[in-house]
Amino acid sequence: SAVISQKPSRDICQRGTSLTIQCQVDSQVTMMFWYRQQPGQSLTLIATANQGSEATYESGFVIDKFPISRPNLTFSTLTVSNMSPEDSSIYLCSVEGQVDTEAFFGQGTRLTVV
Amino acid sequence: LAKTTQPISMDSYEGQEVNITCSHNNIATNDYITWYQQFPSQGPRFIIQGYKTKVTNEVASLFIPADRKSSTLSLPRVSLSDTAVYYCLVAPRRAAGNKLTFGGGTRVLVKP
Repeated sequence: SAVISQKPSRDICQRGTSLTIQCQVDSQVTMMFWYRQQPGQSLTLIATANQGSEATYESGFVIDKFPISRPNLTFSTLTVSNMSPEDSSIYLCSVEGQVDTEAFFGQGTRLTVV
Repeated sequence: LAKTTQPISMDSYEGQEVNITCSHNNIATNDYITWYQQFPSQGPRFIIQGYKTKVTNEVASLFIPADRKSSTLSLPRVSLSDTAVYYCLVAPRRAAGNKLTFGGGTRVLVKP
């Protein structure tokens, strides 16, 4: 199994500012995934991050709002830019597991925008 | 069109068996059925995956009928610590990059 560490675990930010969330994996992985989970809701995929290429964003998410870096095979960052209260969510990092539909998730970053 | 449909919530008592049924009428030939568990303040955790018939592991059993249009996750003898949200997903094999689409989930509350 993969161990995923996310930083910060939580933060309270002022509207209009940006926050960068870090995701560190204890093994090399090809793809890393970023999800958003709004309060009381299910998870929504934001983007897929491959090392050495631009991230692939899902419908409704754009690079200017959620820029992603993937500098190597064990690390990725997601930035939430120009934040508004609607961005208050849990942001989760994920990587593939061994079984076909298995994925490992970090503990998440709980973001509150005030 | 939702990929999966499952009950919003279920209550149970310690020691009982919990069965959660999920509908996936439009499942594709190359899709697996997979279930995740999420505790509060944690990321989802993979529980079990199946393609057809029955799969059992140390945590749960997954029953899949021949037409694969539904599946049932069975949690034997639940305890208070099994209180969580359970997500049913259908997803293709790893070659598709493991993009997982989460539905609404079933919130299971285990009472003493």
